[in-house]
Amino acid sequence: QKEVEQNSGPLSVPEGAIASLNCTYSDRGSQSFFWYRQYSGKSPELIMSIYSNGDKEDGRFTAQLNKASQYVSLLIRDSQPSDSATYLCAVNDEFSAGGTSYGKLTFGQGTILTVHP
Amino acid sequence: KAGVTQTPRYLIKTRGQQVTLSCSPISGHRSVSWYQQTPGQGLQFLFEYFSETQRNKGNFPGRFSGRQFSNSRSEMNVSTLELGDSALYLCASSFTGPPYEQYFGPGTRLTVT
Repeated sequence: QKEVEQNSGPLSVPEGAIASLNCTYSDRGSQSFFWYRQYSGKSPELIMSIYSNGDKEDGRFTAQLNKASQYVSLLIRDSQPSDSATYLCAVNDEFSAGGTSYGKLTFGQGTILTVHP
Repeated sequence: KAGVTQTPRYLIKTRGQQVTLSCSPISGHRSVSWYQQTPGQGLQFLFEYFSETQRNKGNFPGRFSGRQFSNSRSEMNVSTLELGDSALYLCASSFTGPPYEQYFGPGTRLTVT
């Protein structure tokens, strides 16, 4: 059973602080990793994707991947109240020999983030 | 570019009935994946379709089925509805090659009474 675990929440940070969200995955064959943001009553919205070890930055968001430790994280700098949402870590771990994705994402249970003014 | 669309957005059905949900992917995306989201189980993969073929299936009973049409639009069907089928049903579309990113539609909220 392939598993994706996220740090238990909820996580509360003050406005302007850095929010740190963590995720571990069980399948060493996993190749692509995603962070989704889901507002209450809405569908998940893709905010970051990462495929190689190291950091990937996009605006206030930084994703970090360490395949040896099977660990992926998301940092949100200068957190804003509008960042308050559930953050979902997802792993794409089923591929053909030729590298074609079989379209299955395995999700963690999500971390609820609250940014208070 | 238009996003993923799903219809209907809300449904109320009675136990024992069946339901069909529809999904139109982003233009150019040929892979459509379906997920069920519930408070207790989170987001779980149902199945994935590509070129009208189901290529991958999650751990759901045979009452859950789907299909894909030649224009990549997809439908999923749930027969003999149970109370536990109440959930948000999400479809996502993607390319099958890099960057493998899946984009979700707004979902269909199904309530079974």
